[in-house]
Amino acid sequence: GNSVTQMEGPVTLSEEAFLTINCTYTATGYPSLFWYVQYPGEGLQLLLKATKADDKGSNKGFEATYRKETTSFHLEKGSVQVSDSAVYFCALSDPNSGNTPLVFGKGTRLSVIA
Amino acid sequence: DAGITQSPRHKVTETGTPVTLRCHQTENHRYMYWYRQDPGHGLRLIHYSYGVKDTDKGEVSDGYSVSRSKTEDFLLTLESATSSQTSVYFCAISPSGQANEKLFFGSGTQLSVL
Repeated sequence: GNSVTQMEGPVTLSEEAFLTINCTYTATGYPSLFWYVQYPGEGLQLLLKATKADDKGSNKGFEATYRKETTSFHLEKGSVQVSDSAVYFCALSDPNSGNTPLVFGKGTRLSVIA
Repeated sequence: DAGITQSPRHKVTETGTPVTLRCHQTENHRYMYWYRQDPGHGLRLIHYSYGVKDTDKGEVSDGYSVSRSKTEDFLLTLESATSSQTSVYFCAISPSGQANEKLFFGSGTQLSVL
């Protein structure tokens, strides 16, 4: 079945450090890939997405490239801020699975210290 | 804000009692989902609905039932709550359930079963 594996946290970085959160997936077809972010006390919100191989999703300085050859969708940001502290979820949606909705990874907690 | 309201926001109950959580949307979206969020497990799908009176089971449906008698409301019921159902519950919606479409999440319900 479809699954997502992301690096375990928590990740603690100093402000302006480079961020990478790894995400790999297993899917039967050609899924769409997503990164969602959850700020403290809130629900999840979409950060970025990519729908086909080699697509790059980007938003708020975050980027992720859909790599079919390595089945990966790693999240990166060049210079993190304290306000980026949150839990980040990688997710996939397989268009060949009918109504089956998103499958999420376990989440990676990021703490950025000033 | 995608017009999603979850109620209650917090609930403390005793083992063996029935509990109903409500998700209300103002967007008239067809697809609605219930997830639970637990440390070490990320988000796991409980049930989802693709229309009025049309529902299906997710990954962790045992001990839960749902109902959708009108488009705007999706109810999650724990018939006899257990301590293992202590969790944060999130409702999500999407317009068409397409694989490349993002989900909109509510703010969550924190449920404690003592």
